[in-house]
Amino acid sequence: AQKVTQAQTEISVVEKEDVTLDCVYETRDTTYYLFWYKQPPSGELVFLIRRNSFDEQNEISGRYSWNFQKSTSSFNFTITASQVVDSAVYFCALRKAGANSKLTFGKGITLSVRP
Amino acid sequence: EAGVAQSPRYKIIEKRQSVAFWCNPISGHATLYWYQQILGQGPKLLIQFQNNGVVDDSQLPKDRFSAERLKGVDSTLKIQPAKLEDSAVYLCASSLGLADTVAQYFGPGTRLLVL
Repeated sequence: AQKVTQAQTEISVVEKEDVTLDCVYETRDTTYYLFWYKQPPSGELVFLIRRNSFDEQNEISGRYSWNFQKSTSSFNFTITASQVVDSAVYFCALRKAGANSKLTFGKGITLSVRP
Repeated sequence: EAGVAQSPRYKIIEKRQSVAFWCNPISGHATLYWYQQILGQGPKLLIQFQNNGVVDDSQLPKDRFSAERLKGVDSTLKIQPAKLEDSAVYLCASSLGLADTVAQYFGPGTRLLVL
């Protein structure tokens, strides 16, 4: 069985602070994919990143960066110099390799960035 | 490129009533998903279509929920009769295909409140 744990439920920061959102996953599969989605107040889930289990390189995209550590089964997401527009619910998700496989989501982390 | 469209955006009904939601995926996307997102939780897959065929409906409560995608494009999800616990956001998503590497793109969701 697959499981995604986002232990932080709510985080509040002041604009320009850095913030890290934690994600820990469980799977017995050797090949799998990890995702992060953002859900702003409008409700639509916005795809941010996909990482496969064979690629442990960290990734940076503008103010966003992701740290994949297979040894600790973690896929953490850092926002540098946070902005008010970053306020949203962030979901980590896991999908095993193979067609028809399901996305398993964590419960999400509500991030509030105050001006 | 237009995103995934859903309607209505909000619906309030009384228990035991029926309700239907509509989804139009991104043009060219063969795979369509319906998710249920209960407040404070991550989305849970209800049903997955590939063109007009059902790929996975293992988590769909078939005694009251039904879904169809007759022409392989638009889809409708119906609840009949609704229960209080069906109050949730119903998200539609689409992807190019079934491959595990493709990202799913989500619509804005329909917020259902059952009184």
